[in-house]
Amino acid sequence: DAGVTQSPTHLIKTRGQQVTLRCSPKSGHDTVSWYQQALGQGPQFIFQYYEEEERQRGNFPDRFSGHQFPNYSSELNVNALLLGDSALYLCASSQGLVGSYEQYFGPGTRLTVT
Amino acid sequence: QKEVEQNSGPLSVPEGAIASLNCTYSDRGSQSFFWYRQYSGKSPELIMSIYSNGDKEDGRFTAQLNKASQYVSLLIRDSQPSDSATYLCAVNIHQAGTALIFGKGTTLSVSS
Repeated sequence: DAGVTQSPTHLIKTRGQQVTLRCSPKSGHDTVSWYQQALGQGPQFIFQYYEEEERQRGNFPDRFSGHQFPNYSSELNVNALLLGDSALYLCASSQGLVGSYEQYFGPGTRLTVT
Repeated sequence: QKEVEQNSGPLSVPEGAIASLNCTYSDRGSQSFFWYRQYSGKSPELIMSIYSNGDKEDGRFTAQLNKASQYVSLLIRDSQPSDSATYLCAVNIHQAGTALIFGKGTTLSVSS
């Protein structure tokens, strides 16, 4: 049973650059949520995609955008990177928007902004 | 502002003891509650979900939910050194689909 996969594992970018992170959901899942986890903190919800549309959004600026493809995979884009964007970016997949809310996380992408 | 509160710890217990982890939440409309385990440098791993008041047991883990008190807990029986990790409490954001809000986590250390 294929779990959630993310790429790349690690990434180093310079302030002001743009970055794209990728996620493939667990087999059978159609909903993808993105979270940002700073060191020593719990994950913070960025946004959620279902049926190729952004369904919910957390308190993140428009520099954070995303996309979901017909095969349910998803991308997270961050423009004009700031030093404060350095964090572990987590993708979580689940099935649908109602019923069981169980979300399963991928291994994450560690982004460092210098 | 919706919040989930956890004691940061560290919570230290000897091997074989019961570890008790606690969490409170502010959104009375929340319906779904989860416990994740996160080892250092790794991503969170779902270990328990609970949706109704009362207890739910799965192996050595028991989740307890009291919606009236807005309180959820996790008990780990017969704690093992491999249980040493950060435990994250997560609650669904009411009226926001299945989006979750997380506490900062409690660090558990089990000594052999």
